[in-house]
Amino acid sequence: SQTIHQWPATLVQPVGSPLSLECTVEGTSNPNLYWYRQAAGRGLQLLFYSVGIGQISSEVPQNLSASRPQDRQFILSSKKLLLSDSGFYLCAWSVLGALNSPLHFGNGTRLTVT
Amino acid sequence: GENVEQHPSTLSVQEGDSAVIKCTYSDSASNYFPWYKQELGKGPQLIIDIRSNVGEKKDQRIAVTLNKTAKHFSLHITETQPEDSAVYFCAAKGEDAGGTSYGKLTFGQGTILTVHP
Repeated sequence: SQTIHQWPATLVQPVGSPLSLECTVEGTSNPNLYWYRQAAGRGLQLLFYSVGIGQISSEVPQNLSASRPQDRQFILSSKKLLLSDSGFYLCAWSVLGALNSPLHFGNGTRLTVT
Repeated sequence: GENVEQHPSTLSVQEGDSAVIKCTYSDSASNYFPWYKQELGKGPQLIIDIRSNVGEKKDQRIAVTLNKTAKHFSLHITETQPEDSAVYFCAAKGEDAGGTSYGKLTFGQGTILTVHP
């Protein structure tokens, strides 16, 4: 069966520090991968998606970037965190090439920028 | 782009009652409508989905109905239990773009459901 792992589960970082959140998927190949941000426990905003290694599309301009160094690895980064980057970050995957494949989410990372 | 509106934002019911959450969408090309349940501190989990060639789908105590003409779909939970308490999200997905098999999933703002014992 497929599983998705995100870490860390919680993170407290000072303003101006770098960020690296990691997500890996097991049990499937060539997935679509996504990073979402959820503010105040409501509303899911798509940040990035990837349909293959090295292929990243950004949905909204922001202080963050994403990379996909391996087929089942997706990384969310920032060089210098802002207070507004605080939130709940969710990684998700879906089946590439399958019509209307559902999203499968990880358990998220709670990021607090102080 | 697609816009999904979800109502109500909060819903409180007694155990055993039914709960209904409604969503409307704007893009008539949307063809896939999943519902997610999110428990505190966890990621959203898919609970049921419906495709545009189907009007209703049922899975035990939960059901989803879709009215493509009116562009709205609803989640129905019968015989609610305290463990149904969570945040529920609807979503709509449009046509895949550029042959990449990616079609953006647009989420509603969520409904906080509380089931009182």
